[in-house]
Amino acid sequence: QKEVEQNSGPLSVPEGAIASLNCTYSDRGSQSFFWYRQYSGKSPELIMFIYSNGDKEDGRFTAQLNKASQYVSLLIRDSQPSDSATYLCAVVAGGGNKLTFGTGTQLKVEL
Amino acid sequence: DAGVIQSPRHEVTEMGQEVTLRCKPISGHDYLFWYRQTMMRGLELLIYFNNNVPIDDSGMPEDRFSAKMPNASFSTLKIQPSEPRDSAVYFCASSFSLAGGAFFGQGTRLTVV
Repeated sequence: QKEVEQNSGPLSVPEGAIASLNCTYSDRGSQSFFWYRQYSGKSPELIMFIYSNGDKEDGRFTAQLNKASQYVSLLIRDSQPSDSATYLCAVVAGGGNKLTFGTGTQLKVEL
Repeated sequence: DAGVIQSPRHEVTEMGQEVTLRCKPISGHDYLFWYRQTMMRGLELLIYFNNNVPIDDSGMPEDRFSAKMPNASFSTLKIQPSEPRDSAVYFCASSFSLAGGAFFGQGTRLTVV
């Protein structure tokens, strides 16, 4: 079982819609959870982090964490073509300081 | 701060040659990570350092790979000898505290022919 799993996509949504990206992790002791955005040919950019169960909102982005079910999600409201990118989920596993990434979900926002 | 700085940005080398990738982390960051990204395997952690000390190198694929961090502002990743399957984008990232996430450099695109 991979430590961090994501659907590779692509996930296509129309402009203005809500994009929902999901991630599951295997280590129940995981403590910190991150979402990165990576444009083609560029480096990953940190956009959200969450530590506690529930929702965390930042502008059009909402991160959701459910530790009991071991999943993290990212919602992007009012999706724009500029949101088209690969979104990487990252987890700091319990008991260590290793930052492990999923393989990413490609998001396409269509006009 | 200029962010994490990597050099070179692109490297093309012949199989069997030695390759050295360089990284300057963000000043004050205690953690430094080396990742490799390929289409097939995604972003893989190769090794990370805390306060210049290697903590976990379990992701280093073979003895051909080695990494050093002689001081808080510089790290190298060396591949000797290089092979075509080493072709990938290599990222360096640094972090003050993992609770705040890690910040990536622009990467080095390595092509071994």
